[in-house]
Amino acid sequence: KQEVTQIPAALSVPEGENLVLNCSFTDSAIYNLQWFRQDPGKGLTSLLLIQSSQREQTSGRLNASLDKSSGRSTLYIAASQPGDSATYLCAVRDQGGSEKLVFGKGTKLTVNP
Amino acid sequence: DAGITQSPRHKVTETGTPVTLRCHQTENHRYMYWYRQDPGHGLRLIHYSYGVKDTDKGEVSDGYSVSRSKTEDFLLTLESATSSQTSVYFCAISENGRITGELFFGEGSRLTVL
Repeated sequence: KQEVTQIPAALSVPEGENLVLNCSFTDSAIYNLQWFRQDPGKGLTSLLLIQSSQREQTSGRLNASLDKSSGRSTLYIAASQPGDSATYLCAVRDQGGSEKLVFGKGTKLTVNP
Repeated sequence: DAGITQSPRHKVTETGTPVTLRCHQTENHRYMYWYRQDPGHGLRLIHYSYGVKDTDKGEVSDGYSVSRSKTEDFLLTLESATSSQTSVYFCAISENGRITGELFFGEGSRLTVL
């Protein structure tokens, strides 16, 4: 059974710092992996989708990497801003390409001015 | 913006009453999903749909039913609400017409069952 873990559960950094959020999964046979952010009381906003054949994806100040063999993905945020404060979730879809997406419980990021 | 609207956004109801949550999309996506989000459990799939009148169960489907009579609307019904169904419910769609496509979520419907 696929399990997705995000450590730490919470992270606080000063504005301007570059930071890395971690996502690990137990079964390396994945189809794709998606990163989301969630603001309090809001829905999930898709940030990046990485297919199993890809090593990384970039969008603006965000870069997500994928290492299937080690069961890890990282989300790199450059030059963090207070507006980046949110909970970041990763979700993994198994290799069968089914409807099932397994979510981590998220990392709550606070960027202090 | 994936054009997803959920209603109602907030609802308080009593145990044993029926509740229907609506998800409306404007972009003709084939796949639609209902998730619930609870502290300590994260997001879990309730039901999903792969077309009009085509639906299937997710991992936490007990106590819930769904219907999709039009491409744009996916309804989630709690036939007899229980306190354990107090949660935030999210509708989502897959882009690209594939079940493996990128997921986009609505703003959520917060349900409280007293």
